Order: sequence, then C-alpha cells, then structure tokens
Amino acid sequence: QVQLVQSGAEVKKPGASVKVSCKASGYTFTSYYMHWVRQAPGQGLEWMGIINPSGGSTSYAQKFQGRVTMTRDTSTSTVYMELSSLRSEDTAVYYCARPKGETMSLDYWGQGTLVTVSS
Amino acid sequence: EIVMTQSPATLSVSPGERATLSCRASQSVSSNLAWYQQKPGQAPRLLIYGASTRATGIPARFSGSGSGTEFTLTISSLQSEDFAVYYCQQYNNWPPLTFGQGTKVEIK
Repeated sequence: QVQLVQSGAEVKKPGASVKVSCKASGYTFTSYYMHWVRQAPGQGLEWMGIINPSGGSTSYAQKFQGRVTMTRDTSTSTVYMELSSLRSEDTAVYYCARPKGETMSLDYWGQGTLVTVSS
Repeated sequence: EIVMTQSPATLSVSPGERATLSCRASQSVSSNLAWYQQKPGQAPRLLIYGASTRATGIPARFSGSGSGTEFTLTISSLQSEDFAVYYCQQYNNWPPLTFGQGTKVEIK
C-alpha cells in the first residue's frame, strides 16, 4: 500500500532553515510527482511546489521562490523540502502529497510535519 | 493565478440532512476540480476528482457536479463522521495549484 511518512516536528528560530523529509513506499517512486502543501494554524491549504522524482526538476509557488528547495534521493525514495529564512508566519503543518495518476488531484498525503518558528 | 472561492464559510446541518457546498473559480478550470475532506489533526482526504468522480473508497452519499467556474459538492445524508472542513482545489491551470478557503460543516 502507498505510504508517505514524514519526519518529526521541528522548532526553529527566526532566520533559520528547516528541512522536512517524506519517505515514499508502496509504489514506483520515480513514476509520480510529489507536491508540498502547508497549512498554518486554523487556516486553509497552501501549495508550495512540486518535484519530479525522476529527473529532479522542480516548480515552486512564486511566494516561496528563493526560499524553498525541493530535492529527492531515489536510493531511499525520499523527497525533501527545505525552507530558509524562517519567520513566524512559516509556522504551519507541512504535508507532502502524491497526485492521482495523470491528474493533479492529491490522493495520498503524508501525516504532516509541524514546524514552529519562535524566538 | 486562479482564485477559488467557497461558500458558505460555515454550514450548520442536522445529521441525516443534505449538505450542499459551493466552489467558484475566477476563470474556467474545465472539470479539473477536486474536493477534499479534512478532520482536525488529520491530513486532507481526496473525495472527488474530475469534478464528479469519487475517489477510491468514498461513499456514494458524496457527489460532485459542475464544470467551468461553478462546482458543487453534495452530501446526501450527513453522517456523524462527515462533520469536517471541505476544500476544493483546481488543477487546470498550474502552477500554482490553488485551493478554496474551505467550508466547515458543523452539527446543527
């Protein structure tokens, strides 16, 4: 069965960076893109970007350009999302999510990783 | 960027009643529209894709309709486990993927 297992909660100071991992299993890792979506406390869902695990190409939301880097390790079927220059507004749950086949609806989600930015 | 607008923000419904949720796109997204359910402390769950196709394992009481800019999610007879927040998402013109702000379905 498809599983996306994310790394644990993080507490960071403003200005620091955080790197969240998402380990995939139960399917061919390089056959599906992976998205990152975040959710601030009590707020809605916000798309951050996408990585193609096959070639490593990425596309980021304009809001995060210059601050986010998505990478992958095909040997461990893991994708990573690194966000730099953290500020309090980046406090959120970060999710990886796999799209459903050719569509970009998201049918498998990681459990989420809470990143807290606080001095 | 396509803006997705959901209404109402909160819907108060009694168990067993029908719930109708709306989602409007700022420009046509064809049928490239998904609906998600999210419960507190959980990741979103895909309910509907292609505007009207139920995802695997989703009960038949959930149905989606619409195309272009106007979409509806209907829950025919609300069960206790259906009280949650629902989001629509377009994937016709991306990046970026965009979500509505959500509709909370609460017990009346």
